[in-house]
Amino acid sequence: QVQLQQWGAGLLKPSETLSLTCAVYGGSFRGYYWSWIRQPPGKGLEWIGEINHRGTTNYNPSLKSRVTISVDTSKNRFSLKLSSVTAADTAVYYCAINPGGEMAGWGQGTLVTVSS
Amino acid sequence: EIVLTQSPVTLSLSLGERATLSCRASQSVGGTDLAWYQQKPGQAPRLLIYGASSRATGIPDRFSGSGSGTDFTLTISRLEPEDFAVYYCQHYGSSSITFGQGTRLEIK
Repeated sequence: QVQLQQWGAGLLKPSETLSLTCAVYGGSFRGYYWSWIRQPPGKGLEWIGEINHRGTTNYNPSLKSRVTISVDTSKNRFSLKLSSVTAADTAVYYCAINPGGEMAGWGQGTLVTVSS
Repeated sequence: EIVLTQSPVTLSLSLGERATLSCRASQSVGGTDLAWYQQKPGQAPRLLIYGASSRATGIPDRFSGSGSGTDFTLTISRLEPEDFAVYYCQHYGSSSITFGQGTRLEIK
């Protein structure tokens, strides 16, 4: 069964760039899309974007100008960068596998706080 | 972009009762590109239903999904203590993914 483990900086200042990485263990990295989703404290889920092993990406239009998702197939990892963060970007960030659009497996989540 | 509206916002029911959660799309979704998730405090969401009506691996058969077009339903036939949580629907298609705002299922 595929397991996802994610990591990255948890405290950022406004205008900095958020950077998170998700490693995939125990299954094929190819043939799927891999997503990032976030959840502000006490609020709902927001899809950020996705990437496949070929590097094909799709992004949420509301975040597209600030988001870059990349993949390293040699290490079975994919990464998220979100530039020019503000307090509104404070959230728990999740990585997930989406084999057919549905999020079949999730990382443990990383709380990212943006504060001066 | 398809907007998903879930109702009710909060549902208060007792153990053993039947829960019916609704998810309405702002326009018809392609085929059955609709999933449901359960989220408990401090945990990542868990996939319950995909393709509108297919149960994910390990999900008890008291959970069922139905619907097509713009109206979808998640039904929990008999509520168990571990079912009280927040539930989200999600649409996927046309290189875009959106979530509903969630329904909180609480013990009455």
